[in-house]
Amino acid sequence: GQNIDQPTEMTATEGAIVQINCTYQTSGFNGLFWYQQHAGEAPTFLSYNVLDGLEEKGRFSSFLSRSKGYSYLLLKELQMKDSASYLCAVIDSNYQLIWGAGTKLIIKP
Amino acid sequence: GAVVSQHPSWVICKSGTSVKIECRSLDFQATTMFWYRQFPKQSLMLMATSNEGSKATYEQGVEKDKFLINHASLTLSTLTVTSAHPEDSSFYICSARAIGLAGSFLYEQYFGPGTRLTVT
Repeated sequence: GQNIDQPTEMTATEGAIVQINCTYQTSGFNGLFWYQQHAGEAPTFLSYNVLDGLEEKGRFSSFLSRSKGYSYLLLKELQMKDSASYLCAVIDSNYQLIWGAGTKLIIKP
Repeated sequence: GAVVSQHPSWVICKSGTSVKIECRSLDFQATTMFWYRQFPKQSLMLMATSNEGSKATYEQGVEKDKFLINHASLTLSTLTVTSAHPEDSSFYICSARAIGLAGSFLYEQYFGPGTRLTVT
């Protein structure tokens, strides 16, 4: 079966750095997305990785290792508005988007 | 670019009635649209994949006769919850795949703002 694992919840301090991990086992791989979802709102796109390595975009970076079936989202200089759920999603061999359950990130002052 | 709208944003209906939710891609053509449902504190659950001009493909466990999906044009898909019951109360989100859209990633999905359905 297809499986994507993320921690259920994480807590971090404002101004700090947090890394959210995602491991996946899917039938094929055609890319990995990270989305941010605030409570009561739809997900918004954060990043896309299809090749190994680190993609940096401002305070957010995303890393991928295809051989390990592993990705992480790195958030720097945390702000209170970063409190949200972060969803990892993988495109499988059928070009379907397989979603993780999401990681709820709580930022404390 | 790549904006997806949903209407209504929230709706309250009585048990036994039907509710239609519209999903529109405003500035691009979407050959494929997706319908998700999300219960509080849970992740997105894909209900069905909708391709323009053809029947929707439903995920296992989703009743096609209860959740009617129509994708009549490249910019509009509708989800009708028929004979709604309180257990259908949820957050319904649509997304559209914009293949070939400049600036988008392959198979990236653009999400609508969601529709909160409450059945009393």
